[in-house]
Amino acid sequence: SQQGEEDPQALSIQEGENATMNCSYKTSINNLQWYRQNSGRGLVHLILIRSNEREKHSGRLRVTLDTSKKSSSLLITASRAADTASYFCATDAGVTGGGNKLTFGTGTQLKVEL
Amino acid sequence: EAQVTQNPRYLITVTGKKLTVTCSQNMNHEYMSWYRQDPGLGLRQIYYSMNVEVTDKGDVPEGYKVSRKEKRNFPLILESPSPNQTSLYFCASSLGLHNEQFFGPGTRLTVL
Repeated sequence: SQQGEEDPQALSIQEGENATMNCSYKTSINNLQWYRQNSGRGLVHLILIRSNEREKHSGRLRVTLDTSKKSSSLLITASRAADTASYFCATDAGVTGGGNKLTFGTGTQLKVEL
Repeated sequence: EAQVTQNPRYLITVTGKKLTVTCSQNMNHEYMSWYRQDPGLGLRQIYYSMNVEVTDKGDVPEGYKVSRKEKRNFPLILESPSPNQTSLYFCASSLGLHNEQFFGPGTRLTVL
């Protein structure tokens, strides 16, 4: 089963609104990463947050991590039509936890309408 | 320009006809990985490589082979493709496991 589960599966908002996506996972992690994918294209890395960090910012993106709840959230502020894409969280459970690999969730499809 | 390239980008083939999807990166990354993406299932890792001549299975390795003879290349081999291997395939590389991954543009494979 997937390590990361995103919620909601789909989200539709108006341009200018904020979009929040959540990710829950099951085991201890070394870090958690968020990626973006435009339809049918390769994934693009957005943010990496380590297990000892609680919050991280990059431009209009804000990521939080709560290791006690095994969850993370991605907030996109002042959304634009160009933010329309699928967003994935990926967990790195480290050598002992995950066997040297990233495990991806099934993604949140975000649609930003004009 | 730093990038991961994959070839071919699109491929339609028939059951049982051996094929290779190439992957190359120009960033001197040690870690490389192959994923397949299917609707509703997200990305699942097929194989990964920590360095030259070091490869290991991911979550869905059955029906696939890989090799890592050079640091920059990590080809994916389907010895006898079957229709259930119809999917969108991505190669990725990173400095190490605990770093951001750079993805190729994807290869859409259809096996008839």
